[in-house]
Amino acid sequence: QQQVKQSPQSLIVQKGGISIINCAYENTAFDYFPWYQQFPGKGPALLIAIRPDVSEKKEGRFTISFNKSAKQFSLHIMDSQPGDSATYFCAASTGGGNKLTFGTGTQLKVEL
Amino acid sequence: KAGVTQTPRYLIKTRGQQVTLSCSPISGHRSVSWYQQTPGQGLQFLFEYFSETQRNKGNFPGRFSGRQFSNSRSEMNVSTLELGDSALYLCASSLSGALQETQYFGPGTRLLVL
Repeated sequence: QQQVKQSPQSLIVQKGGISIINCAYENTAFDYFPWYQQFPGKGPALLIAIRPDVSEKKEGRFTISFNKSAKQFSLHIMDSQPGDSATYFCAASTGGGNKLTFGTGTQLKVEL
Repeated sequence: KAGVTQTPRYLIKTRGQQVTLSCSPISGHRSVSWYQQTPGQGLQFLFEYFSETQRNKGNFPGRFSGRQFSNSRSEMNVSTLELGDSALYLCASSLSGALQETQYFGPGTRLLVL
């Protein structure tokens, strides 16, 4: 059972544009929602994370929007750059411990 | 500070064999988690160890096992390998595994089962 659904599967954005990736979850017990960025040949790296008591969190060009009632959250990358080209994963976890449930990933390509 | 290291980086095995992968967490980190990454299933949680005890377990068959040593280094073992076990196996560490604590991933071990 896929508990975190992610879309789109792939995304092409022009340099300077806005990249938007969406995720929806089913388990209402999830209470931590991180986004990871993965480059080829590397492990995922934490980009930004949010708790459900916050509707938006911004760090530099990256913003998470969170809609608890709709059980959806999204990543916005402003002023997208070619260096942002990577695979992005949303994830969710509940309670203590480090069991992350990941979305299926979005391959982002930022073109010049 | 050195990051999470995983050895070996690449491995080729044949069906029916067993394999052991190793993970050294960031110094001071006591929680180690393992994930399997495949094109079809994405990133899936295998298990988490903290202070030499398995604290969480994913939905994988018993052929997948792990352990953690007193220095927090961890190993995972897959017995009776199947073709479907071909994947990138990622290890992640964090200080204590508390909620909202950043997990730092290693580069992974790419396993190919022939």
